[in-house]
Amino acid sequence: AQSVTQPDIHITVSEGASLELRCNYSYGATPYLFWYVQSPGQGLQLLLKYFSGDTLVQGIKGFEAEFKRSQSSFNLRKPSVHWSDAAEYFCAVGPMEYGNKLVFGAGTILRVKS
Amino acid sequence: GAGVSQTPSNKVTEKGKYVELRCDPISGHTALYWYRQSLGQGPEFLIYFQGTGAADDSGLPNDRFFAVRPEGSVSTLKIQRTERGDSAVYLCASSRAPGTGYEQYFGPGTRLTVT
Repeated sequence: AQSVTQPDIHITVSEGASLELRCNYSYGATPYLFWYVQSPGQGLQLLLKYFSGDTLVQGIKGFEAEFKRSQSSFNLRKPSVHWSDAAEYFCAVGPMEYGNKLVFGAGTILRVKS
Repeated sequence: GAGVSQTPSNKVTEKGKYVELRCDPISGHTALYWYRQSLGQGPEFLIYFQGTGAADDSGLPNDRFFAVRPEGSVSTLKIQRTERGDSAVYLCASSRAPGTGYEQYFGPGTRLTVT
């Protein structure tokens, strides 16, 4: 069965510090991988996605993620966190066929302290 | 352009009542998805439409849940005989036709509270 694990429920980092959010997935084949961000009262916004090719993908707002097939991981990173990055982050996996459902992790809540 | 919109933003209903939740996808997007997000959880897939037909409804929890998309644009999620366990945020997403991309764009959700 497909599943996504985000081991950290909450993470607190200082503004300006680096950030890494962990994501591990279980999938029968090479999946599409996504990171979404959700601010309070807002919908999910796509940060970045991995389909194929270069395993280091760049996204919006200075985020990047690295696909590691051997570790079934797709960790999200940012070199310097801003207070506005405080939100909940979701990792998701989907099949390579168009139009099918995404399976989401439970999310990681990021708190930024000044 | 306009994003995915959902109405109402909040809905409070009594146990046993019927509710309808509406989703307006991005214009031109042929695929439409419904997800349910319970407190402290990630979104869980409910149903996916390609055009007017439900291509995958494997996530609907039981026969109290039903969704339609009669003209291939707006979709309505219908819940009969609501239960307190149905309380959640219901998210709608849309994406473009096949071959032009896979990204799902999400609406702000409808928060359903069953009392």
